[in-house]
Amino acid sequence: QMQLVESGGGVVQPGRSLRLSCAASSFTFSSFGMHWVRQAPGKGLEWVGVISNDGSYEYYAASVKGRFTISRDNSKDLLYLQMNGLRAEDTAVYYCAKGDNHFWTASGYLDLWGRGTLVTVSS
Amino acid sequence: QSVLTQPPSVSGAPGQRVTISCTGSSSNIGAGYDVRWYQHLPGTAPKLLIYGNSNRPSGVPDRFSGSKSGSSASLAISGLQAEDEADYYCQSYDNRDSSLSVFYVFGTGTKVTVL
Repeated sequence: QMQLVESGGGVVQPGRSLRLSCAASSFTFSSFGMHWVRQAPGKGLEWVGVISNDGSYEYYAASVKGRFTISRDNSKDLLYLQMNGLRAEDTAVYYCAKGDNHFWTASGYLDLWGRGTLVTVSS
Repeated sequence: QSVLTQPPSVSGAPGQRVTISCTGSSSNIGAGYDVRWYQHLPGTAPKLLIYGNSNRPSGVPDRFSGSKSGSSASLAISGLQAEDEADYYCQSYDNRDSSLSVFYVFGTGTKVTVL
């Protein structure tokens, strides 16, 4: 059964860094673009960014560009989200999600999601 | 952040039909970009319900149907069941920010309550 499991969330002070991981299983991880999506408390879903299947390309939402970096290790079926310069408004549950193609398309969709990991930015 | 507007909540009795609207603009749904729909029970993994405006992935019951017209889209749930009680989000692509090559946008979300 295809599965994504996020880990690495926790409480972190403003300005500090945190790295999230997402373990994939039961599908050919190296064939698909992977996304991060977040949900702030009481809010809706917000797309964070995407990485191509081979890790060569990344795109980010304006709200995190320059602070967050997505990477992947296809030999271990792992996806990462490095978050630097964290702010209170970054507090959210972070989900990793599998795209339907090798990177992204305007018609692309997210066909497998994890259960998320909570990041709380607070002093 | 959300540029797609949904009603905060809809409700219906078991067996009834409910619809959820998703209103966008000329830079997203109105520009012809596809709409997707996701179901999310808090604390669980969101699930893809509809892609390409009206297509259901394998395993999604045909009680769920999607449509699109102009700058809006709709998700209909017929034969409402208790297990359908969840949050529902539409999603599309938005081309308004030329500095971004990718700009996936989600709707504001709708909570479906089964009475």
